Amino acid sequence: GQNIDQPTEMTATEGAIVQINCTYQTSGFNGLFWYQQHAGEAPTFLSYNVLDGLEEKGRFSSFLSRSKGYSYLLLKELQMKDSASYLCAVRDPGTGGNKLVFGAGTILRVKS
Amino acid sequence: DADVTQTPRNRITKTGKRIMLECSQTKGHDRMYWYRQDPGLGLRLIYYSFDVKDINKGEISDGYSVSRQAQAKFSLSLESAIPNQTALYFCATSEGNGINYGYTFGSGTRLTVV
Repeated sequence: GQNIDQPTEMTATEGAIVQINCTYQTSGFNGLFWYQQHAGEAPTFLSYNVLDGLEEKGRFSSFLSRSKGYSYLLLKELQMKDSASYLCAVRDPGTGGNKLVFGAGTILRVKS
Repeated sequence: DADVTQTPRNRITKTGKRIMLECSQTKGHDRMYWYRQDPGLGLRLIYYSFDVKDINKGEISDGYSVSRQAQAKFSLSLESAIPNQTALYFCATSEGNGINYGYTFGSGTRLTVV
């Protein structure tokens, strides 16, 4: 089975940096995804990590440590439009490696 | 046009009614999924299909059925709707091969069962 934990809510200030953590316990591992979801809208892809280390993409970076079962999403120079839910998802290797199991999501509120 | 289209966008139905949610895609992906999303619970997998005629149950399939009529279409049915099936439903697609097996999501269907 899979278990994915992330904080329920976070609040940060415009222009600041925020780190959203995700821990997972899985029987196997084939990659970890981060998605952004604005209220009432579809999740959109942010990042993908399969090897240890940091992946940087503009203001967003994602880090993975497979030995610790840990990932984080780092958002720099926060903007009001970054207020959204951030979903951590682990790829389930049990069925051809393509089912994603999602955490409950972290609601990020950016204040001015 | 959107890559993954869900219809209807919003639906209110009565307890006991049968309802079908439709999903169609233009991405040419072979794999399709239905998830429901509830506050505090995240996205939970209902059914998935890796090809036409291939149907697999997810973690919460009770009370639901699906049909994969063609590669581009995957429909979800609630045989006899009940109020705790009130949720936001998402269809998603993915490639079978490739490095990044991420999903493309539809815009969602907000279903209310009264």
